[in-house]
Amino acid sequence: DGGITQSPKYLFRKEGQNVTLSCEQNLNHDAMYWYRQDPGQGLRLIYYSQIVNDFQKGDIAEGYSVSREKKESFPLTVTSAQKNPTAFYLCASSPINRVGELFFGEGSRLTVL
Amino acid sequence: GENVEQHPSTLSVQEGDSAVIKCTYSDSASNYFPWYKQELGKRPQLIIDIRSNVGEKKDQRIAVTLNKTAKHFSLHITETQPEDSAVYFCAATLDQTGANNLFFGTGTRLTVIP
Repeated sequence: DGGITQSPKYLFRKEGQNVTLSCEQNLNHDAMYWYRQDPGQGLRLIYYSQIVNDFQKGDIAEGYSVSREKKESFPLTVTSAQKNPTAFYLCASSPINRVGELFFGEGSRLTVL
Repeated sequence: GENVEQHPSTLSVQEGDSAVIKCTYSDSASNYFPWYKQELGKRPQLIIDIRSNVGEKKDQRIAVTLNKTAKHFSLHITETQPEDSAVYFCAATLDQTGANNLFFGTGTRLTVIP
């Protein structure tokens, strides 16, 4: 279904490699977010962006980087500096004046071998 | 910052029974409390929300209650059905333009036994 699309759905990487997860939305939302989901830990915010060319660190930004060159796109790079990168990553977007009403992508599961 | 605690972590109920999931929050300034449902292998989806000027909100078989004084809010599901089986997340935020993010609870895995 449309709205917000993440790719790839599954990704394997070797230790020491950077990987980039794609997130695209066609909802015309200003705000976009990246969350990490681990069993028993809920959703933890990695980075968020409220406007093009601007983004802020969330609670667990270390070892990650993002860019926001276009309103529709908010890619996340998991760098080799991230000590425990194996996780399920969720991208979300929201209207700028309704930040609690998140629309999520289907997620990307990253496994480090 | 805000801290949201959610209980229980797992919950099993017989089909037709009610289920209640409880959350507490720490920041008295929080004023918007959404609930998300995540079915197995799928994305989280907003199912109901409540703002701090309201004590209860209902939508068919689900309802949310908020006690601002005690800083807790709850999700109630009545007449549970197997399709209610999922992980439910509560969250809290200060709902205003420029607010940074939503603080999530750790989730409750609800299993409805047919």
